[in-house]
Amino acid sequence: EAGVVQSPRYKIIEKKQPVAFWCNPISGHNTLYWYLQNLGQGPELLIRYENEEAVDDSQLPKDRFSAERLKGVDSTLKIQPAELGDSAVYLCASSLAGAHNYNEQFFGPGTRLTVL
Amino acid sequence: AQSVTQLGSHVSVSEGALVLLRCNYSSSVPPYLFWYVQYPNQGLQLLLKYTSAATLVKGINGFEAEFKKSETSFHLTKPSAHMSDAAEYFCAVSQNSGNTPLVFGKGTRLSVIA
Repeated sequence: EAGVVQSPRYKIIEKKQPVAFWCNPISGHNTLYWYLQNLGQGPELLIRYENEEAVDDSQLPKDRFSAERLKGVDSTLKIQPAELGDSAVYLCASSLAGAHNYNEQFFGPGTRLTVL
Repeated sequence: AQSVTQLGSHVSVSEGALVLLRCNYSSSVPPYLFWYVQYPNQGLQLLLKYTSAATLVKGINGFEAEFKKSETSFHLTKPSAHMSDAAEYFCAVSQNSGNTPLVFGKGTRLSVIA
């Protein structure tokens, strides 16, 4: 079974440029998360989707960040325009609802963004 | 609100020595607790999880953790460190219902000395 797939793995851009990250969750997983991991820190939630609905986006900086999960499968996270402080690793995770799954989340390899 | 504190941003042990990584949590509701490992340039891999079934939880690669409600702790241990255990370790907490977000600690980097 394939894991969570993310692309690109690495991205270097100039500040003020737009950038997009893509995530394909594990097949059948209805919940998808985007986490931000700054250097030397633990991941922090940006947004959570239940199927195609964003149910928790309170930590998403909506002035420059946007996300979508069309058809409740793969998802795209966009930053426009990027700032120097956005340099970080963007992690995607997915999980399957159900009492016996105990909120176990499966993580992709992440996209490392460098803003110059 | 939930939070996690990992004591020690960096722990160094000799190969074959005991590994002890500390995690304390705060939660107003019964929690699920997790330990994840992250190798360089990789995502997070689940080591083990506490889901209230048993207080002593065994995970992969010889790791285990004990849930102590009175101490609000969930420390990670391994009897004998291997070189391959060198990585970043994250403790995380979530509510014990639904697919709720994980709240992570800041991580502990484990170094293993030959």
